Amino acid sequence: DAGVTQSPTHLIKTRGQQVTLRCSPKSGHDTVSWYQQALGQGPQFIFQYYEEEERQRGNFPDRFSGHQFPNYSSELNVNALLLGDSALYLCASSWGDTAYEQYFGPGTRLTVT
Amino acid sequence: ILNVEQSPQSLHVQEGDSTNFTCSFPSSNFYALHWYRWETAKSPEALFVMTLNGDEKKKGRISATLNTKEGYSYLYIKGSQPEDSATYLCAFPHDAGNKLTFGGGTRVLVKP
Repeated sequence: DAGVTQSPTHLIKTRGQQVTLRCSPKSGHDTVSWYQQALGQGPQFIFQYYEEEERQRGNFPDRFSGHQFPNYSSELNVNALLLGDSALYLCASSWGDTAYEQYFGPGTRLTVT
Repeated sequence: ILNVEQSPQSLHVQEGDSTNFTCSFPSSNFYALHWYRWETAKSPEALFVMTLNGDEKKKGRISATLNTKEGYSYLYIKGSQPEDSATYLCAFPHDAGNKLTFGGGTRVLVKP
């Protein structure tokens, strides 16, 4: 049983560019949440997708957007990249949208130069 | 904005010693508290989801306690081993949804 997978593992982009990160949830899970982890800090919630809709959102600008597909996989898009967007982006999946155990992927390391 | 704090930020432990560290969280509107272990270059791994005041959970040599009235949880590692070296994160969900606010983590390094 595959756990949560994310792609790519690492990514280097230039300021102003756009990036798309991908996540496949654990088998049987229908909810995907995205987190940003800056160096030295705990992960910060970006948004959550359930039933192909954004259900909750953290304190992130509209440059951060996402999508969930019918197979429950998800994408995180970031437009007009800033140096401060350099971080590890984690995807977590769970069953339903209630407060229960979440399973995390290994993350995508984004570096903006 | 919820404030979830962990202390200390880092900990060096001699192999075989026991240790513990703290997560503090808002004591009002409590739903659950999550503990994760995060080893370098791996995915964060769920250790415990704690929901009741006075809860004590155990997984091998790792255990956790919960005090929702005063807003803190302790994680204990008994007889630390090098494989326990990791960052331990606590997370507090907003309401009944699973939007988690994480603490900054406690980085544990167990020296052989």
